Amino acid sequence: AQSVTQLDSQVPVFEEAPVELRCNYSSSVSVYLFWYVQYPNQGLQLLLKYLSGSTLVESINGFEAEFNKSQTSFHLRKPSVHISDTAEYFCAVSGNNRKLIWGLGTSLAVNP
Amino acid sequence: GAGVSQTPSNKVTEKGKYVELRCDPISGHTALYWYRQSLGQGPEFLIYFQGTGAADDSGLPNDRFFAVRPEGSVSTLKIQRTERGDSAVYLCASSRDRAPTDTQYFGPGTRLTVL
Repeated sequence: AQSVTQLDSQVPVFEEAPVELRCNYSSSVSVYLFWYVQYPNQGLQLLLKYLSGSTLVESINGFEAEFNKSQTSFHLRKPSVHISDTAEYFCAVSGNNRKLIWGLGTSLAVNP
Repeated sequence: GAGVSQTPSNKVTEKGKYVELRCDPISGHTALYWYRQSLGQGPEFLIYFQGTGAADDSGLPNDRFFAVRPEGSVSTLKIQRTERGDSAVYLCASSRDRAPTDTQYFGPGTRLTVL
């Protein structure tokens, strides 16, 4: 069975500071990894995903995540956050069955 | 183009009543998913449709939950004899389904409250 652990339920950070949101997964088969973001009063949106190939994946708004197979991790990072990055971030894993298995989410609060 | 839409956005019902939640996927998307998100939790998979048929309904919690997609587009999630524990946000997503890795696009959800 697959599972996802997001190690931090809340991450407060000041604007322009770097941030890392941690995600670990467990799976006995090959996986695909995703980060979704949910802005206040909006639906879930895909931020980035790892399917295969390069272990470092990037989003259009400056986030990146690195797939680490040996540590079974897919941590999300941004070198300098903005107020507008305040949101709930979800890590998810799937296999060929298409079911997304989700973590509990990390609430990122960016303060001025 | 239009994204995934869900109606109603909010539904309040009494324990024991029947409810229907509707999902309109993105046009042309053959795969449709239902998830449920309880307060403070991540989404939980319920069911996945390929076209008109349920390809995987292993996430439906019990036989009070049922979903249909008769014409391969709109889907309805039906809950009989609602219980207070059914209160959650019900999310619908759709994808092109050309590959397992196709992005799932989510609707805004229906918030169900069972009193």
